[in-house]
Amino acid sequence: DVKVTQSSRYLVKRTGEKVFLECVQDMDHENMFWYRQDPGLGLRLIYFSYDVKMKEKGDIPEGYSVSREKKERFSLILESASTNQTSMYLCASGEQYSGTGELFFGEGSRLTVL
Amino acid sequence: AQSVTQLDSHVSVSEGTPVLLRCNYSSSYSPSLFWYVQHPNKGLQLLLKYTSAATLVKGINGFEAEFKKSETSFHLTKPSAHMSDAAEYFCVVIGIYSTLTFGKGTMLLVSP
Repeated sequence: DVKVTQSSRYLVKRTGEKVFLECVQDMDHENMFWYRQDPGLGLRLIYFSYDVKMKEKGDIPEGYSVSREKKERFSLILESASTNQTSMYLCASGEQYSGTGELFFGEGSRLTVL
Repeated sequence: AQSVTQLDSHVSVSEGTPVLLRCNYSSSYSPSLFWYVQHPNKGLQLLLKYTSAATLVKGINGFEAEFKKSETSFHLTKPSAHMSDAAEYFCVVIGIYSTLTFGKGTMLLVSP
């Protein structure tokens, strides 16, 4: 079975802390994505990567960075967490240039910043 | 740039009645469109996809959607709702590098 695993389902952090969200996929996909999901706003793309060590900004990259040192792993980093980054974070992976639109999502990491 | 607009934030139906979730798209070229579903506390799952083949697309669990270029619409329908259909549904358009742009979602509520 296809699997995208996010390391933490629930996190509580304090303002100013550095936060790492980890995502691992086992499908050998080239493309990986980080979205955040907020009620009434749908999913918004933060960053994506189409190859190891490559990254591209999505629609809302401010306050975030990413790392892709290995093909299967894509990390989202909040250098200094703020309360407006309280959200559900979803990682996804998919085949490059497939055009099929099928991304495989993890179950999400719910981050609360106090 | 491509975008999608889901016209209803919430839709309530009774079990056994038809479901209609509305989506309009904006695209400068022929788009690839999708519907994803998210059940409570679950990950997102692809429901169906349109990629310029047949305009009527069938998906999982009895759902289907019709691509109408003249109306720039891609509405999701099901003839008879089931309790297990209660979930949030997202209309999605694909861009370069297979990035997906999501609508804001429609919550489907199904009452007995």
